[in-house]
Amino acid sequence: DTGVSQNPRHKITKRGQNVTFRCDPISEHNRLYWYRQTLGQGPEFLTYFQNEAQLEKSRLLSDRFSAERPKGSFSTLEIQRTEQGDSAMYLCASSLGGASYNEQFFGPGTRLTVL
Amino acid sequence: AQTVTQSQPEMSVQEAETVTLSCTYDTSESDYYLFWYKQPPSRQMILVIRQEAYKQQNATENRFSVNFQKAAKSFSLKISDSQLGDAAMYFCAYRSAFRGGGNKLTFGTGTQLKVEL
Repeated sequence: DTGVSQNPRHKITKRGQNVTFRCDPISEHNRLYWYRQTLGQGPEFLTYFQNEAQLEKSRLLSDRFSAERPKGSFSTLEIQRTEQGDSAMYLCASSLGGASYNEQFFGPGTRLTVL
Repeated sequence: AQTVTQSQPEMSVQEAETVTLSCTYDTSESDYYLFWYKQPPSRQMILVIRQEAYKQQNATENRFSVNFQKAAKSFSLKISDSQLGDAAMYFCAYRSAFRGGGNKLTFGTGTQLKVEL
C-alpha cells in the first residue's frame, strides 16, 4: 500500500499523559499536513511541513502540541499534558510540492480519546 | 480569513436519482481552488472533484459535477445516478492559490449523504 499511513489508529489515554502520533506520507511527497477533526465538524488545519521545515502553524496548535518531520520523511505529532478537549481524530495528509496546486492525500487518521 | 459554509447537515437520495449538495464560501481573494471531499465511514478522505476559480467552466468527473458561481461565492456538488457507495460525509473545502496564502485546506462542517434503495 503506497498511501499515507498513520499509527496508531486509536489511542486512549488519561488526562495529563503525553501522546505521540506518527504519519508516513507517500514517499515522493515533500509536503505534509496535520489536521484535527472533532465530532460533527470538518477537519481544521494544524500545521504544514515542506521537507523538514515547518512553514505554517495554526493558532489551534497550543504550546502543548509539537510536530516534527526529521529528514523530511515521516512526521510525529506530540501532545503533552493531554486534556479532554484534545479528544479528536488527527488526520495527516501529504502532497507533492512545486506547483501551486497538488492534491492532498489523506491518511486514515488517529482517533484520540482522553479520559 | 476564509470561511466555508455547508448549510445541509444531512441529505437523502434514492438510488439512481440526482442530489445536489450546497456550499458557500467567503473570501477576499480572487484566485483560489475549491474542492469536494468524500469521507466514507472508514474515515479516509478522498478527493471527489476540484475547481480552479479562474476557470469559468464547471468541473465534471463522471457522475459528479459542480455548479460554480464565483460572484455568488457558491459551489454546489451534483451527484447523478446515485449509488449506494456514494453514502458518506461530503466536505466542501477552500484553498488559496497565492504563494503567500499557505497550502492549508479550509473545510466546511460537512453534509451526511444517505442513499436509499
